[in-house]
Amino acid sequence: GENVEQHPSTLSVQEGDSAVIKCTYSDSASNYFPWYKQELGKRPQLIIDIRSNVGEKKDQRIAVTLNKTAKHFSLHITETQPEDSAVYFCAASTSGTYKYIFGTGTRLKVLA
Amino acid sequence: NAGVTQTPKFQVLKTGQSMTLQCAQDMNHNSMYWYRQDPGMGLRLIYYSASEGTTDKGEVPNGYNVSRLNKREFSLRLESAAPSQTSVYFCASSVSGGGGGTDTQYFGPGTRLTVL
Repeated sequence: GENVEQHPSTLSVQEGDSAVIKCTYSDSASNYFPWYKQELGKRPQLIIDIRSNVGEKKDQRIAVTLNKTAKHFSLHITETQPEDSAVYFCAASTSGTYKYIFGTGTRLKVLA
Repeated sequence: NAGVTQTPKFQVLKTGQSMTLQCAQDMNHNSMYWYRQDPGMGLRLIYYSASEGTTDKGEVPNGYNVSRLNKREFSLRLESAAPSQTSVYFCASSVSGGGGGTDTQYFGPGTRLTVL
């Protein structure tokens, strides 16, 4: 079945440094790739997404890149701040399936 | 707008008991979803409703049933709870018109369920 692998499972960075989280998907028909941030005890919230007709998307300090050939996509956070500490989930979805396949999450710790 | 709401927030059951988790959205979304979240396993889809009047199985449907009561409400029922169903349950909704599910899903606050 469809699968999304996410790495690393934990990531610690110094405040101000960059963080990169990578995901690989198995279904070549996947065409929508959202990223969610989940703070402790809270609901997942969308932070950025990308569709398969776009290679890169940026929103202030956050960017996502997509390589359809290799079937992987990455989240980049620059100038990290303590409030960026959370668990980040990637997901992949295919039109008509109504299913997000989530990665297993990355716990990001930003050290002050 | 309240967005997506869920009740209850916490629940403790004994093995074999039944319960229904309630979810409602006020965003006029067509599609609704139920997920469970377990440590180290991300979010897994239990059931979804692409539109009012339809429901379909997700990745982990065994032991659960759902009802799309109307466009706003989507409930999840555990008929005979088991310890393996201890988890955090999230409801979500999305617009899902022509996108066929490839649109933003908005999550509720979650229900933390413990089965003893």
